[in-house]
Amino acid sequence: SAVISQKPSRDICQRGTSLTIQCQVDSQVTMMFWYRQQPGQSLTLIATANQGSEATYESGFVIDKFPISRPNLTFSTLTVSNMSPEDSSIYLCSGAGRNYGYTFGSGTRLTVV
Amino acid sequence: AQRVTQPEKLLSVFKGAPVELKCNYSYSGSPELFWYVQYSRQRLQLLLRHISRESIKGFTADLNKGETSFHLKKPFAQEEDSAMYYCALQGAQKLVFGQGTRLTINP
Repeated sequence: SAVISQKPSRDICQRGTSLTIQCQVDSQVTMMFWYRQQPGQSLTLIATANQGSEATYESGFVIDKFPISRPNLTFSTLTVSNMSPEDSSIYLCSGAGRNYGYTFGSGTRLTVV
Repeated sequence: AQRVTQPEKLLSVFKGAPVELKCNYSYSGSPELFWYVQYSRQRLQLLLRHISRESIKGFTADLNKGETSFHLKKPFAQEEDSAMYYCALQGAQKLVFGQGTRLTINP
């Protein structure tokens, strides 16, 4: 399966600022996704990162708040914009390939103060 | 719409006892089901997927389309099985997770 590197692993940010999270996959994947895992809860899909085009967002998530880029098959970024304490969460990148299913990064633990 | 339900948030059993983690799903198409596990301070990792019909770490899961279930079972629990377990469904090119069950194996 693919190996996914995600950074930063954690950050503490001031409210009103933005944070960009990077995700690098070591091999080509057909699809990349971004998830959020709020404290004590399960993983919620934010969006599917589409190569060279706008991401496909799930209900409750919008591009202005969570802009996503995927300039090539192995790299994607998620920005959490204009942060508030409610954005404190773990953000996870995932890649899916034809033969190995879904692999996950180690996550970015974000705390907004 | 895709939906996965794990009715038990917490499950505690003694070492050597059988374990069953329940998972029910809702999906109008043909689903692909997975179990993921997250050990303490480790990343989420795939435990098994229904299409491979394999046993990993002694765990098995059978897809029951009539009951729309994909329960995870192990006949004899080990202490190292203590972890968070997530059932997930792939449909319409995205993976949706259940709420997770925290399994604790008592010595």
